[in-house]
Amino acid sequence: RKEVEQDPGPFNVPEGATVAFNCTYSNSASQSFFWYRQDCRKEPKLLMSVYSSGNEDGRFTAQLNRASQYISLLIRDSKLSDSATYLCVVNFNAGKSTFGDGTTLTVKP
Amino acid sequence: GAVVSQHPSWVICKSGTSVKIECRSLDFQATTMFWYRQFPKQSLMLMATSNEGSKATYEQGVEKDKFLINHASLTLSTLTVTSAHPEDSSFYICSALWGVGNTEAFFGQGTRLTVV
Repeated sequence: RKEVEQDPGPFNVPEGATVAFNCTYSNSASQSFFWYRQDCRKEPKLLMSVYSSGNEDGRFTAQLNRASQYISLLIRDSKLSDSATYLCVVNFNAGKSTFGDGTTLTVKP
Repeated sequence: GAVVSQHPSWVICKSGTSVKIECRSLDFQATTMFWYRQFPKQSLMLMATSNEGSKATYEQGVEKDKFLINHASLTLSTLTVTSAHPEDSSFYICSALWGVGNTEAFFGQGTRLTVV
């Protein structure tokens, strides 16, 4: 079983749609959690950190459920520019980041 | 946020030659940096942890004699791919930790290596 698992998609949605990505992790001692966005042939960029209390940044909402070892990302009112691969990232110790395989999102006009 | 600069952004080399990739933290000191490799349509896989002033820690399956890592200063780590072969062609990317608790990773721009 992979340490971090994501639904690979692809997700193809129309503009304005709401889309949710899920991620599960296996190590209950994981310390910090993030969602990164990666555009084709580019480096990953931090989208947002994920906290148990949930956090929101504009159209993006992230949620962490430690009991279920589950992380989610919700994107509302999708834009064409949201098309990318979204990576779930979990830090287990000393900052080593373990990446999920990514979920590909394509937003269509 | 912090800035991590990686150079070169792309390189093409002949089989058997060595390639050096640099990773610099531009506005902060990084005692620890990480090197990842990403093959097409796959996720980033951690290769090694680069520690300033000491030996790097390699992940299982990564040859330390092939992928030489040097972290001689608090702002620079280098990865040298020695005797490169076509199967080493990949996207190599470094990261450094920043922020409160050093939990936020900032990535370099990545280096696309093609070995012909």
